[in-house]
Amino acid sequence: EVRLVQSGVEVREPGESLKISCKALGYNFTSYWIAWVRQMPGKGLDCMGIIYPDDSDTTYSPSFQGQVTISVDKSVTTAYLQWSRLKASDNAIYYCARLHSGSVYSTMDVWGQGTTVTVSS
Amino acid sequence: DIAMAQSPDSLAVSLGERATINCKSRQSVLDSSNNKNYLAWYQQKPGQPPNLLIYWASTRESGVPDRFSGSGSGTDFTLTISSLQAEDVAVYYCQQYYRTPLTFGGGTKVEIK
Repeated sequence: EVRLVQSGVEVREPGESLKISCKALGYNFTSYWIAWVRQMPGKGLDCMGIIYPDDSDTTYSPSFQGQVTISVDKSVTTAYLQWSRLKASDNAIYYCARLHSGSVYSTMDVWGQGTTVTVSS
Repeated sequence: DIAMAQSPDSLAVSLGERATINCKSRQSVLDSSNNKNYLAWYQQKPGQPPNLLIYWASTRESGVPDRFSGSGSGTDFTLTISSLQAEDVAVYYCQQYYRTPLTFGGGTKVEIK
């Protein structure tokens, strides 16, 4: 079964760092782009960026460039999203999703269950 | 960026009636080289991640009931639920995959009247 399994709920204070994960199971991890998608409370979906696990080619959406870092570790078939200094506005659910084909111009056909990040002092 | 606009923001439809959701892209998402519209529709039920319903503007994903249909081309698209069922209560999003960054519409919440 093709699955993306994300790490659990995180609670941090403003200014702290954080790295959340997305483990791919049941398919060739290096052949499909992975996207990270933010959903703020009660709001819609924002694609933060995409990464190709085979060579770590990464494209960030302009709104998120410089705000987060997307990476992968092929040895454990896992993608990561990290922040160096969290802000209250980073409160959201973060989803990883697989792009359907080997092309970046593709739909998101498999989604992780989401990681809730709460940033509060 | 290709901005996506959905309408309405929400709608309430009686069980068994038709629901229609519109999506407009700021620029065309039709690739003339292959005549494909790079437009997808997703359904998100409360507490769940989104689920792909339709791609290439009108192709249903495997397992999606045939009461869901997509239409349109270029910049204007429609998702139709022909006979609303209770399990269709959700937020529906359109998404373009013609250009990066990949972008979503703001969502349309469908409820039972």
